Amino acid sequence: AQKITQTQPGMFVQEKEAVTLDCTYDTSDPSYGLFWYKQPSSGEMIFLIYQGSYDQQNATEGRYSLNFQKARKSANLVISASQLGDSAMYFCAYRHPAAGNKLTFGGGTRVLVKP
Amino acid sequence: DAGVIQSPRHEVTEMGQEVTLRCKPISGHDYLFWYRQTMMRGLELLIYFNNNVPIDDSGMPEDRFSAKMPNASFSTLKIQPSEPRDSAVYFCASSPPRTDGNEKLFFGSGTQLSVL
Repeated sequence: AQKITQTQPGMFVQEKEAVTLDCTYDTSDPSYGLFWYKQPSSGEMIFLIYQGSYDQQNATEGRYSLNFQKARKSANLVISASQLGDSAMYFCAYRHPAAGNKLTFGGGTRVLVKP
Repeated sequence: DAGVIQSPRHEVTEMGQEVTLRCKPISGHDYLFWYRQTMMRGLELLIYFNNNVPIDDSGMPEDRFSAKMPNASFSTLKIQPSEPRDSAVYFCASSPPRTDGNEKLFFGSGTQLSVL
């Protein structure tokens, strides 16, 4: 089974600064997808960004961008200009191409934005 | 669209009781997933359905857990009998038909289950 690793259990970031959340995965599949979700303290899971393994460019969605390094098997999330509302848990997830739409999630990283 | 609807939001029960969690996916979505979230094990996939058919139930912890999807707009996750270690947040999620691989999962608000 694919293994998704988020090595940072928690981190602080100053408001308005950028923060990078690490995500590595272990796979031998040439084709796959990577997702990031945000879980604020209220508990809901919010989709942030998607990167396909064959995408030529790093994905971006507003203040979120992915630093995708396929050879290193990493898909780090970059949040620019952090806001207090960015304080939450962040999960990286892997989609295997032959497993329908199911996602395997990493352990998550808790981010706390300081004013 | 109302999104994925789960009920109840909170459930407190005693060990040995039967618990039924309910989920209504987004209309038009043909994938439905049940995940469990705990501090110790994170987010685990329990089972998922495609077109109402269970595809992968390898994450169901034991025979006490069962899931059904009688039609495209309703699914249940049942625990019988419940045990304290089943205490967790249970999420239902749905996603649209697979096309180019970027179909995201839409999650419900979750059911916080406490088994005393």
